[in-house]
Amino acid sequence: EDQVTQSPEALRLQEGESSSLNCSYTVSGLRGLFWYRQDPGKGPEFLFTLYSAGEEKEKERLKATLTKKESFLHITAPKPEDSATYLCAVQAPNDYKLSFGAGTTVTVRA
Amino acid sequence: DGGITQSPKYLFRKEGQNVTLSCEQNLNHDAMYWYRQDPGQGLRLIYYSQIVNDFQKGDIAEGYSVSREKKESFPLTVTSAQKNPTAFYLCATTRTGDNNEQFFGPGTRLTVL
Repeated sequence: EDQVTQSPEALRLQEGESSSLNCSYTVSGLRGLFWYRQDPGKGPEFLFTLYSAGEEKEKERLKATLTKKESFLHITAPKPEDSATYLCAVQAPNDYKLSFGAGTTVTVRA
Repeated sequence: DGGITQSPKYLFRKEGQNVTLSCEQNLNHDAMYWYRQDPGQGLRLIYYSQIVNDFQKGDIAEGYSVSREKKESFPLTVTSAQKNPTAFYLCATTRTGDNNEQFFGPGTRLTVL
């Protein structure tokens, strides 16, 4: 069974204080690893897909990296508007579903 | 304006009643999904459909039913057999092929009174 564990559960940052979120996964093969951002009471917003170890993707202050066992979401010089819950999900080969972690809730204080 | 719409945004139900949640998309995506989100837990798959008139059970299908009569629509019925229906329900879609990102609607919050 695919498993996804995200840590920490919650992260409180000062504006400008860079940090990283972790997503550890267990899956038989990896078709893709996905990062989403979710604001309270809203649906998740797609951020990145990573397909193979060593791959990196960036979007504004966010950078996602992938190894064979885990992925990191780095937040550089965060702003209050980066406050959200960040979700990680994996997809196995020949599978249509995503297996999600419980998320990391990030709060950035001005 | 392309996207995924879910209605209603909030839904209240008495115990013993069936309710239907709507999900409509105009993205021309083939596959559609229903997830349930509870506090402190990851999203869990209820049902999914890859093509019209075909759908498969996900990990927690008991107490739920779906239909896929049109490409654009994938309604979810929460039946009285679902023991803990209070949750946030999310609909998602994806293209088939190599780009398999799932895109989510705004969600429906169901509360059983």
